[in-house]
Amino acid sequence: TQTVSQSDAHVTVFEGDSVELRCNYSYGGSIYLSWYIQHHGHGLQFLLKYYSGNPVVQGVNGFEAEFSKSDSSFHLRKASVHWSDSAVYFCAVSAPGATNAYKVIFGKGTHLHVLP
Amino acid sequence: EAAVTQSPRNKVAVTGGKVTLSCNQTNNHNNMYWYRQDTGHGLRLIHYSYGAGSTEKGDIPDGYKASRPSQENFSLILELATPSQTSVYFCASGEGHYAEQFFGPGTRLTVL
Repeated sequence: TQTVSQSDAHVTVFEGDSVELRCNYSYGGSIYLSWYIQHHGHGLQFLLKYYSGNPVVQGVNGFEAEFSKSDSSFHLRKASVHWSDSAVYFCAVSAPGATNAYKVIFGKGTHLHVLP
Repeated sequence: EAAVTQSPRNKVAVTGGKVTLSCNQTNNHNNMYWYRQDTGHGLRLIHYSYGAGSTEKGDIPDGYKASRPSQENFSLILELATPSQTSVYFCASGEGHYAEQFFGPGTRLTVL
């Protein structure tokens, strides 16, 4: 059974700061990882995904994430945040070939607050 | 542009009543999903479907039924609503097991 953990429920930064949102997973085999963003009152929107290859993947709006097998992590980063990046960010995992490969398991989310 | 719509957007129901939440997608995706979102729990999968006529139980199916009458439509049914089912419900569609999911705007359900 795969699990995903987002250790920070809230992260607060100032506009223009860099930010890293942490995601750790547990699973013994190959894994498929993604990040989603949810603005207040809306559904989730896909940001980026990783399965294999270059461990650093680029997403929309300047977001990138780095996969680390040794740390079982898939942290999301942005070099310079904007106030519009304030939202809840969800890390998600799915395991190809596993019994439950049909579904995506979401973390509990990290609420990013960007102050002016 | 791909789109997932949900109706109603807000619903107040009484305990013991029947509630039907509807979802429509124009993505032509085979897979559709129903989640509920609660503070402290993130998103939890209730039911999902691989295509018209199929429904499968997710992680928390108790108290819910699902119906997929067509490729485009996927409904979530609460036969006897309870206050514990007060939540925000999201529908999503996706193609393949590992592709990104496209989410609807959500339905806020309050059961009194």
